[in-house]
Formats: sequence, C-alpha cells, structure tokens
Amino acid sequence: GESVGLHLPTLSVQEGDNSIINCAYSNSASDYFIWYKQESGKGPQFIIDIRSNMDKRQGQRVTVLLNKTVKHLSLQIAATQPGDSAVYFCAENNGVGGYQKVTFGIGTKLQVIP
Amino acid sequence: GAGVSQSPSNKVTEKGKDVELRCDPISGHTALYWYRQSLGQGLEFLIYFQGNSAPDKSGLPSDRFSAERTGGSVSTLTIQRTQQEDSAVYLCASSLVTLGGETQYFGPGTRLLVL
Repeated sequence: GESVGLHLPTLSVQEGDNSIINCAYSNSASDYFIWYKQESGKGPQFIIDIRSNMDKRQGQRVTVLLNKTVKHLSLQIAATQPGDSAVYFCAENNGVGGYQKVTFGIGTKLQVIP
Repeated sequence: GAGVSQSPSNKVTEKGKDVELRCDPISGHTALYWYRQSLGQGLEFLIYFQGNSAPDKSGLPSDRFSAERTGGSVSTLTIQRTQQEDSAVYLCASSLVTLGGETQYFGPGTRLLVL
C-alpha cells in the first residue's frame, strides 16, 4: 500500500454525538475495504471491513458504507466516546498481478470533546 | 506469537550511524509490509514481501534504506547513514493473503529519533 505523507484532516465531535469519517478511494477495481483505528503511540488496529458486493455493514457502534459509483467509503460511529479519539485510516485492496495490493488513505484524526 | 512484534520500541541514534529495525510477523502470515509514519501524518509505504516473490521496493525513499526477510518470517529494515529526516515511527504489518483480500495486522512500531 502507498500513502502520501500529508497532514491529517481533523474531525471534532461532541461526546455522545455520531461521527462520520469519509474516505475517497482511487481504484474502481478494489474489491475489499478496511477501516483501521490508530490510537496515540500504537499501531493501527482493524475495526471493520466490507466487500465490494455489499454497500453497508454494521458492527458494534460502527457502520461502514460503500458507494462504488463515486468510489466513496464512510465510517459511522454511533454515540461517540472519548475512547474513540484516534486517527482512522481506510484501506482498499485490489488484486494486481496475482497478489493483493493494499492502499491506505491519508487518515482522519477524530477528536472527541467531553 | 499472538501478534506482530517489533524491536526496539524506541531507538535514538546519531546522524550518520546505521540502524536496524526488526519485525516478527504473526506465524503463518505470508505477507509483510514496512511503513513509515511521521508525526501527525499518514502511513508511507516502504516495502512489501509476499512469500517467495521478489519484494516490492517501490516505496523506499533512498538507497540508504533496505530490508530483508529471512526464511519467510522475520524481517529487518536497515537505514544506513541516518539523517534527521529519517526520524519517524516505523511500522511493520503482516497478513495472510487470500483470494478474498487481506487484513493487515500491525505491530506497535519502532520510534526512531536521529539526533
């Protein structure tokens, strides 16, 4: 996967509100998408995934929406909590030359205001 | 092991010195990635190993950077003649590649500071 080292956009949300983090992906052939959460001082951790044959998938307090028409992915977090404060990355997978290539988005920093 | 481990967790070195960073992937994972993350920024891809295939080195920023993966398991990332701009967190991830896609599991990273 490749990602340009740009400064991260920031989303500030009041505790208890819902958060929506957006991601535009680049390759229309991508068939598998993942959201990762990275807390301060730690490596990214898997949150939820979705395959291209779906447009919505729900987990515990999180929902991922996929719009293949406009190559857009979003992560919705319900009732945002202080522990949700982190950087969120989307990743797209597509098969290239017989192996899966993973590309990460630039990430969004979520700040939860108590 | 239970997850991806990296060592050292922190490394402080002087400009011009060589450093070696180690990654122990999850047992059985065939794919291994190295990324660099500067403070407040996203993930910068460095190199990708997949099984016995030739590694994808397209992300290495200069010829001072190299990586090896011995026996299809442990990997080392070497930075020669370190520069201050090499200061960053170096993250390793491994995955089990399937036809359906792959989920990468990340280690905690090595925080490198070049003085």
